[in-house]
Amino acid sequence: QKEVEQNSGPLSVPEGAIASLNCTYSDRVSQSFFWYRQYSGKSPELIMSIYSNGDKEDGRFTAQLNKASQYVSLLIRDSQPSDSATYLCAVNIMEYGNKLVFGAGTILRVKS
Amino acid sequence: DTEVTQTPKHLVMGMTNKKSLKCEQHMGHRAMYWYKQKAKKPPELMFVYSYEKLSINESVPSRFSPECPNSSLLNLHLHALQPEDSALYLCASSQVANNQPQHFGDGTRLSIL
Repeated sequence: QKEVEQNSGPLSVPEGAIASLNCTYSDRVSQSFFWYRQYSGKSPELIMSIYSNGDKEDGRFTAQLNKASQYVSLLIRDSQPSDSATYLCAVNIMEYGNKLVFGAGTILRVKS
Repeated sequence: DTEVTQTPKHLVMGMTNKKSLKCEQHMGHRAMYWYKQKAKKPPELMFVYSYEKLSINESVPSRFSPECPNSSLLNLHLHALQPEDSALYLCASSQVANNQPQHFGDGTRLSIL
């Protein structure tokens, strides 16, 4: 079982819709979860960090964490064509110390 | 603008060349990282430095040699690379504590001829 799993997509949504990106992880004691956005040919950009169960909102982005079910999700409201990118879920795996484990990434396409 | 600066942005080198990638951050972070990223794949960790000491080496071939001269600088020395080493090389930094996010530089696009 992979440590961090994401559906590779592509996930296609119309402009203005809500995009929902999901990630599951295998390490029950993980405490830190991150979402990165990566445009084609560019480097990953941190967009959300979440550490506690529940929702965390930042502008059009909402991260949701459920440690009991071992999943973390990212919702993008009012999706724009500029949101089209690969979204990487990253989890700090406790036994590895200061190391992030990345999922394979989900390609999001927002169509105008 | 990124707060982690990598140079050069692009590098083309032959298999017999020696070159270095450089990374600099001024965020006061004491953990720095090198990643390798191939097309359509997530970043793959190579090395981690904590307080200027190498703490993680992900079994990277010896043709890659990292160096951390001080808390703001991280180098990756390259020698006798192979064509399969062509990739985007990313530097990142963070606070040392386990729950801190990593911030990436823009990367160096490396091509091996």
